Amino acid sequence: SAVISQKPSRDICQRGTSLTIQCQVDSQVTMMFWYRQQPGQSLTLIATANQGSEATYESGFVIDKFPISRPNLTFSTLTVSNMSPEDSSIYLCSVELRETPVDTQYFGPGTRLTVL
Amino acid sequence: SQQGEEDPQALSIQEGENATMNCSYKTSINNLQWYRQNSGRGLVHLILIRSNEREKHSGRLRVTLDTSKKSSSLLITASRAADTASYFCATDLNTDKLIFGTGTRLQVFP
Repeated sequence: SAVISQKPSRDICQRGTSLTIQCQVDSQVTMMFWYRQQPGQSLTLIATANQGSEATYESGFVIDKFPISRPNLTFSTLTVSNMSPEDSSIYLCSVELRETPVDTQYFGPGTRLTVL
Repeated sequence: SQQGEEDPQALSIQEGENATMNCSYKTSINNLQWYRQNSGRGLVHLILIRSNEREKHSGRLRVTLDTSKKSSSLLITASRAADTASYFCATDLNTDKLIFGTGTRLQVFP
């Protein structure tokens, strides 16, 4: 498995501001993912972030709203821009490890965001 | 869009009882995984079953997969209060992306 940390663990932000969430993993990984979990809901994939290439966004998510950086194989950031109360969610990063018999995703502890 | 639907949405049992959660999905899969989430925190990977497997065990966990019915079940035997959490199935469509089910909230009373 992998040890994944996220900063901040939680934050309360004002409408219209932006927050950058950091994800750090203790080993080099090619594929990292960012998910959103709205209150009481399941996880929805925001984007896939591979080192050395632009992030790939899922339907309904755009780079202007959720810019992602992936500067190296152990780190990524997700920014939630121009926030509104609807952005209040838990944001989770995950990494895919090459394992036998199949690759497996492991998740960070999440960042709980509340937008007032 | 959601690939998996889970039922029940919520389940309350006493310690020592077994808990069964079901997951149904829509399209062919490469594998199916189960995760646990405690109190809105990060997800913990529990078990993975490949599309060519029918049953898998890990400790008190038993997972079955029926690809003809596009369904899976997670059985937790001899449940404990510490098993209280939300449980999600996630399907891998051979695209490196996981699509999560709606989740089951399990409450185990001491």
